[in-house]
This record gives sequence, C-alpha cells and structure tokens, in this order.
Amino acid sequence: QVQLQQSGTELVKPASSVKISCKASGYTFTSNYMHWIRQQPGNGLEWIGWIYPGNGNTKYNQKFDGKATLTADKSSSTAYMQLSSLTSEDSAVYFCARSLRRVEDWFAYWGQGTLVTVSS
Amino acid sequence: DIVLTQSPPLAVSLEQRATISCKTSQNVDNYGISYMHWYQQKPGQQPKLLIYEGSNLASGIPARFSGSGSGTDFTLTIDPVEADDIATYYCQQNKDYPYTFGPGTKLELK
Repeated sequence: QVQLQQSGTELVKPASSVKISCKASGYTFTSNYMHWIRQQPGNGLEWIGWIYPGNGNTKYNQKFDGKATLTADKSSSTAYMQLSSLTSEDSAVYFCARSLRRVEDWFAYWGQGTLVTVSS
Repeated sequence: DIVLTQSPPLAVSLEQRATISCKTSQNVDNYGISYMHWYQQKPGQQPKLLIYEGSNLASGIPARFSGSGSGTDFTLTIDPVEADDIATYYCQQNKDYPYTFGPGTKLELK
C-alpha cells in the first residue's frame, strides 16, 4: 500500500535552513506528483508546490518562491523540501501528499507531517 | 488566487445531520468536472480525503458522508453524525494555481 513516511521534528534557529524528507513506498515514485502543504499552528492548510520526481519538474505557490526548494532522489524514492532563511513565521507542520495520478487530482495520500519549530 | 470560504463552526447532536458549505471566489468547474475536494482532519493527524471532484466518495469512507454542488457553491453533508466525525473539515480546489484550501469548519458535539 502507498505510504509516505516523513522525517522527524526539527528545532532550528532563525536565519538558518532545514531540509525535511518524505520517503515513498508502495508505488512507482517517479510516476506521481508529490505536493507539499504547510499548516501553521492553529491555522489552515496552504499549498506550497509540487515536484514530479520522474523529471524533477517543479511548480511553486508564488508565496513560497525563494522560501521552499523541492527536490527528489529517485534512487531512494524520497522527496525533499528545503526551507531557507527561517523565521518564526515558518514554524509549522509540513505535510507531503501525493495526488492520485494527474497533477490536478486530489491529495489521495498524505504523510504524517513534520513539525518545524524556529526558535533561538 | 481562488478564495474558499467555509461555514462557521458547527455544533451538532449525534445522529443528526451536519451540513458544511464551501463557496469559491471563482468557478472551479471545468468540462463538467468540479475540482473541489473535501478532507477531514483530527487533532495531531494528517488530513484524510473524504470526497473528490465534488461528489465522489473516496475509498473506505462511510456512506454517511456525501458531497454536492458545482461552480462556486459546494456542500459536505454528514448524515447521521457519529462521535468519530468530530474533526475539522476543509474544502480544497485545484482548478487553478495556487491550489487553495478553505479555512476549515470545526464540527463539535452539542
């Protein structure tokens, strides 16, 4: 079955960067779009962008341009998101989610989330 | 950006019907398909898909959940409400970039 296993909680300092991972299993990693979604404390959900691991193509929400960088490692079936120049505003839970087949399909599968806390 | 507006928090009694609305600032239909989906999220958990393309029940989701609507007006109905349904519900569109979510509607027990 499809599983998305995310990396653990991160406590990072302001102005630094962090890279979180999402290891996929149970399907062909290179043939499906992987999305990333942010949920700030007590808030709703924001779509950050997607990556197509088959060719590395990406699409970002303009709001996250320069903040998030999406990459994928085909050899380990793992998607990554690097967040840079961190501020307290970046403290949130970050989810990876796979759309069913097409990029415009619904988010059929979700990782368990990675909590990132930015604090000095 | 397409803005999604959801109904306010809702308190319902068990075995009653709950109706949650989602209105979009632009039409999210295209060629007869509604690019509108519904998710359930419980505290400390990831969202779970309930309804896709406006009215299709996701795999493994009980039939007491249903979705309806088109264009700019959509509804999620839970009938009857069970204790396990206490959660926050989000609508989401992916007709246009950036994909956007509604602010969520918290379902509580009366």
